[in-house]
Amino acid sequence: EIVLTQSPGTLSLSPGERATLSCRASQTVGTSYIGWYQQKPGQPPRLLFYATSSRATGIPDRFSGSGSGTDFTLTISRLEPEDFAVYYCQHFSDTFVTFGGGTKVEIK
Amino acid sequence: EVRLLESGGGLVQPGDSLRLSCAASGFTFSSYAMTWVRQTPGKGLEWVAAISGDGIWIYYRDSVKGRFTISRDNSKNTLSLQMSSLRAEDTAVYYCAKNFATGIAVYDFWGQGTPVTVSS
Repeated sequence: EIVLTQSPGTLSLSPGERATLSCRASQTVGTSYIGWYQQKPGQPPRLLFYATSSRATGIPDRFSGSGSGTDFTLTISRLEPEDFAVYYCQHFSDTFVTFGGGTKVEIK
Repeated sequence: EVRLLESGGGLVQPGDSLRLSCAASGFTFSSYAMTWVRQTPGKGLEWVAAISGDGIWIYYRDSVKGRFTISRDNSKNTLSLQMSSLRAEDTAVYYCAKNFATGIAVYDFWGQGTPVTVSS
């Protein structure tokens, strides 16, 4: 089972700043198998990226995903007020799915 | 418009059973694998079980094997999760989620979730 470790746990930033979120896998994984989600209070997760860097429908281009091997990154180039939320990475295999513990992006 | 609506959650005692349902609409249900994901404040998001579009392939996390059964009725566009021998650690909000595409187990649509509380 792949373990995903997200860091930092909390990121305190101001609107307009750049956010860089990390997701580290316990072993090398293929880029096709990594996704990212955004979750706001009281809502289900929202898919941001699949296959590491492919944006889901409707996701603005200030969001970008990158990485390979064991290290993956979600970057928000300029934080908008609606971007303050919790972000999760995810890995899937043929038979199992794991999520990272999440990074909360909060207003500084 | 894709919609997923869960139902069936509630408060039960340890050892009890509960059946969750998810009514799907707005897409060709039988063409997509479906998944149950649960969320607790302490453990975050946790994948529970998945079923292929035709219902042939089924997968569970180890902690629910033998206790939970995922199923689907493609004639009624409904996904189900039969939960038995419930434990306190099964307490969570349970989401049904649609797989993005064949072979791509990320989830592009989620229901609003149904809460399950297991407590004496």
